[in-house]
Amino acid sequence: EAQVTQNPRYLITVTGKKLTVTCSQNMNHEYMSWYRQDPGLGLRQIYYSMNVEATDKGDVPEGYKVSRKEKRNFPLILESPSPNQTSLYFCASSFSISGVTDTQYFGPGTRLTVL
Amino acid sequence: SQQGEEDPQALSIQEGENATMNCSYKTSINNLQWYRQNSGRGLVHLILIRSNEREKHSGRLRVTLDTSKKSSSLLITASRAADTASYFCATDATWGDAGNMLTFGGGTRLMVKP
Repeated sequence: EAQVTQNPRYLITVTGKKLTVTCSQNMNHEYMSWYRQDPGLGLRQIYYSMNVEATDKGDVPEGYKVSRKEKRNFPLILESPSPNQTSLYFCASSFSISGVTDTQYFGPGTRLTVL
Repeated sequence: SQQGEEDPQALSIQEGENATMNCSYKTSINNLQWYRQNSGRGLVHLILIRSNEREKHSGRLRVTLDTSKKSSSLLITASRAADTASYFCATDATWGDAGNMLTFGGGTRLMVKP
């Protein structure tokens, strides 16, 4: 089954404790991205990747890191989480033709709370 | 900065009525995509319309694109209670040397009353 998986689905942590949210897709998509969703602010892009070893900042990259060592995986790393990173996070992937993205497939979301 | 902005932010209608949501954007785009999200869940793709297309249909959904006005609309005909969700538009645009970015708007919350 074609899908995007995220883990964990729910996480409560404390300020400063490094964490990683994994994202994996099985559709051989070139494009992958991370979004955060906050009430009243819609989806805001954190980072995106056009292909392996090619990552770029989105609208709100501060406090986050990503890596794209393999095509299927795109982990989101919070080196030192802070309470303002409490949010609902989504990973998405799609094909990319000449750099233009196509239909996005979204993961189920990760609800993160930073105390 | 938000590229796509939906209007209205919230819409409440009766079952059977049509629902129209609009999306405006600021720069030239490669394509525009509409998504649906049930509360707290992942987004589900509805329709993608390319910049050289003006209208697309999928079941009860009709999407139009007016590149001269930099706007798109999503029409849901004969709405059902199960259509209650948030609807987002997203634009794929080329940002110079930065490459392509897909930017989402703030969404329209649709409530369809039985």
